[in-house]
Amino acid sequence: QQQVKQSPQSLIVQKGGIPIINCAYENTAFDYFPWYQQFPGKGPALLIAIRPDVSEKKEGRFTISFNKSAKQFSLHIMDSQPGDSATYFCAASNSGAGSYQLTFGKGTKLSVIP
Amino acid sequence: EADIYQTPRYLVIGTGKKITLECSQTMGHDKMYWYQQDPGMELHLIHYSYGVNSTEKGDLSSESTVSRIRTEHFPLTLESARPSHTSQYLCASSKAGGGQETQYFGPGTRLLVL
Repeated sequence: QQQVKQSPQSLIVQKGGIPIINCAYENTAFDYFPWYQQFPGKGPALLIAIRPDVSEKKEGRFTISFNKSAKQFSLHIMDSQPGDSATYFCAASNSGAGSYQLTFGKGTKLSVIP
Repeated sequence: EADIYQTPRYLVIGTGKKITLECSQTMGHDKMYWYQQDPGMELHLIHYSYGVNSTEKGDLSSESTVSRIRTEHFPLTLESARPSHTSQYLCASSKAGGGQETQYFGPGTRLLVL
């Protein structure tokens, strides 16, 4: 069964800290790894995504690190702000299967305290 | 911001009632999805569609049904609501092709069955 395992379940950091959220996958056919951000009462929104041909991708304060051999990827938030407090979901899909369905991790609730 | 809409946003209904959750998108996306999510928890795919007259069941078994008569519209119906159906329902859409999948989510419908 396709699985994406995400940790930690919750995370509290002080403003300016660098929270790190980790995900591990089992299916080596996965070739697209997005991260979604969800605020309370809202639907998830795409934050940043990576493909396995690169080891790192940065967009603003958000960075994905990807380790293909370990089948792991992580999200780093630089200079975290209280406005970053949200639930973050990693996901993975296999474009080769033609379905493009996303398999989501269980989510990490991030709280950034002032 | 994604142009995907869900109505109603909140619904409280008694056991045994028939309900339809509406989802529409104005982006001309071929693919549409329904997810079930308990607040702050993981997303479970319950239905998806690759285009008009195409519907498939997702990973999580659901007693709901869907239809796709028009590209922009993907309603979800529960013939007889039960308390176990209490959850948040998220609709999403994406454009086929391109080798990667960006799903755009609606704001969700929070359902409470008494």
